[in-house]
Amino acid sequence: EVQLLESGGGLVQPGGSLRLSCAASGFTFSSYAMSWFRQAPGKGLEWVSAISGGGGNTYYADSVEGRFSISRDNSENTLYLQLSSLRAEDTAVYSCAKVRTGATFLVWGSAIFDSWGRGTLVTVSS
Amino acid sequence: DIQMTQSPSSVSASVGDRVTVTCRASQDISIWLAWYQQKPGKAPNLLIYSASSLQSGVPSRFSGRGSGTDFTLTISSLQPEDFATYYCQQAHTFPLTFGGGTKVEIK
Repeated sequence: EVQLLESGGGLVQPGGSLRLSCAASGFTFSSYAMSWFRQAPGKGLEWVSAISGGGGNTYYADSVEGRFSISRDNSENTLYLQLSSLRAEDTAVYSCAKVRTGATFLVWGSAIFDSWGRGTLVTVSS
Repeated sequence: DIQMTQSPSSVSASVGDRVTVTCRASQDISIWLAWYQQKPGKAPNLLIYSASSLQSGVPSRFSGRGSGTDFTLTISSLQPEDFATYYCQQAHTFPLTFGGGTKVEIK
């Protein structure tokens, strides 16, 4: 059974930093591209960032480009999201997700996600 | 960026009703569209991928149609466990984008 467990959220002041982790199990982690999403309280889903299975290709939403950094440690089956220069509008539940198939996003329609974690809450407030 | 517009934003329906949700893309995305179901406090659940392919384990009362810019998700006979929010997501181009969601409520 695929399991994704996020951690690392919390309360942080504007301009601060945080590192989120997503521990994966139940599948061959390095064979799948992964992504981070977020959902602000009472709002819809928003894509944040994605990474290929090998970690060599990364993608970011314009709203976080230059402030967030995605990475993965395939030896530890863990996905990371480094958040910096945080703003109030970054307040959300952050979730990791596994693509349905494949290690890259180079195939048409590959960015579809069949397993999601429950998320970790990041609150940016003074 | 590709904009995804879902309608309606909410719908009230009864058990046994047929419910259809529409998603429109701002440009041609071929068949690269997914539908997800999300219940309060829970992770999204993939229902449909590639516009019309049913994800393994998803009941056959869920179906998807469309290509290009116009897509639909249909629940043929609404069940109590189907009351939730539904999102479409385009998988054609980064940045990935979602529709605003459709909340299916009990009538």
